[in-house]
Amino acid sequence: NAGVTQTPKFRVLKTGQSMTLLCAQDMNHEYMYWYRQDPGMGLRLIHYSVGEGTTAKGEVPDGYNVSRLKKQNFLLGLESAAPSQTSVYFCASSYPAAYEQYFGPGTRLTVT
Amino acid sequence: SQQGEEDPQALSIQEGENATMNCSYKTSINNLQWYRQNSGRGLVHLILIRSNEREKHSGRLRVTLDTSKKSSSLLITASRAADTASYFCATDSGSARQLTFGSGTQLTVLP
Repeated sequence: NAGVTQTPKFRVLKTGQSMTLLCAQDMNHEYMYWYRQDPGMGLRLIHYSVGEGTTAKGEVPDGYNVSRLKKQNFLLGLESAAPSQTSVYFCASSYPAAYEQYFGPGTRLTVT
Repeated sequence: SQQGEEDPQALSIQEGENATMNCSYKTSINNLQWYRQNSGRGLVHLILIRSNEREKHSGRLRVTLDTSKKSSSLLITASRAADTASYFCATDSGSARQLTFGSGTQLTVLP
C-alpha cells in the first residue's frame, strides 16, 4: 500500500496563477483533510470531506476550493494564488471509527 | 487559531536522556493525540489518550493528561538520535474528528 500520496511535491507559482493539488489514498478511508503548515507553527485545517461528493470548510478556507469526486481522491484548488498561500500543504485521511489520521508527505508551494 | 501551545519550543538533549514535552489546550476535549514529524516529512501518529484516561504508555512513550489543567505531557525515555523530530499535540472535535494542532516542540537528540 502506498498510503497517502500527494502530487506535486514542489511547485512555484506567480501571484494570480491557479493550480490544483492532488491527494490520493489507497486505504479506503472515508474522511480526508487538507492542512497547511507555516514555519514554526502546527497544522491548520483548510477543508475536509466525510465522504465522496461532500466537502466542508475548516479553520482557514479562504482562497481555496476542494472537490471529492472519488472516494480515494481529494483535490485542493487555488484559483488565484497569493504570496500568503506560500506554505507546505498536507493531506490526511482516516476511518470514521478511528481518530488517527494518516498523512501524506506534503507539497511545498511558493507563491512569488 | 492554534488549540494550544507546546513547551518548550525547542529541546536539545544527549542520547540516552529522557525528553519531556508539554502541551496546553483551550477547550474541552474527547481525546488528545501526539504526532511526530521528521524534517521534510508528513506527520506520523504516536499515541492517543482519551479524556477519561490519566496516563498511557507505548514502548518508550509515556503520555499524561490533566483535564483540570487542560494540559498533557509526552515523555520519551532513553532517547535516540532517531527521535530527532518535531512533536505536535492535537485535539479532535466535530463530527469528522477535525484535528487542531499545537505549535510543536523541536526535539534534537545529540549522539
